[in-house]
Amino acid sequence: NAGVTQTPKFQVLKTGQSMTLQCAQDMNHEYMSWYRQDPGMGLRLIHYSVGAGITDQGEVPNGYNVSRSTTEDFPLRLLSAAPSQTSVYFCASRDSSTNEKLFFGSGTQLSVL
Amino acid sequence: GNSVTQMEGPVTLSEEAFLTINCTYTATGYPSLFWYVQYPGEGLQLLLKATKADDKGSNKGFEATYRKETTSFHLEKGSVQVSDSAVYFCALDGGSYIPTFGRGTSLIVHP
Repeated sequence: NAGVTQTPKFQVLKTGQSMTLQCAQDMNHEYMSWYRQDPGMGLRLIHYSVGAGITDQGEVPNGYNVSRSTTEDFPLRLLSAAPSQTSVYFCASRDSSTNEKLFFGSGTQLSVL
Repeated sequence: GNSVTQMEGPVTLSEEAFLTINCTYTATGYPSLFWYVQYPGEGLQLLLKATKADDKGSNKGFEATYRKETTSFHLEKGSVQVSDSAVYFCALDGGSYIPTFGRGTSLIVHP
């Protein structure tokens, strides 16, 4: 059972470059989300989705785009990377029941130079 | 809105010491409460949870009791090990899809 799979694990970008962080889950979860984790800031929600074709903004959405064309995949796109986007990114999913735990991926460490 | 407040870290202990990490919350209604743990270089994973008042969640020697009267969910362990060194996150689920996380508390256990 793979759970939540994130790729890549590490990435270095130059300012202005674009890239997509991949996230896939094999548990048929309706809810998927992206967080960024910065020192002293805890986890901050970027975007989330409650099902295929439905996405919404979280606490810090600026500079990021998402789409949800399938239940399994929820990619996060950086259109023009900035040094302020240097962070560790986590994808998480869960069943639609609100008492259930979140399943997290192992993270992507992104550096923007 | 919902919020979770955790004690700031790092918490530094010697092996076999008693651990308490405080967590208090603000929420409407009757939220479910969670503790997640993040080991170095990994994503978060559920440590324990409680879904109603007076419930006690427990796992791997850790315990936390849902106290509605004090809106608290403090994490405790009687004897910590070096392998417990990690970041601990308190979280609540208030009935929407989006859980609310505390900022995390780093625990460092020395041999």
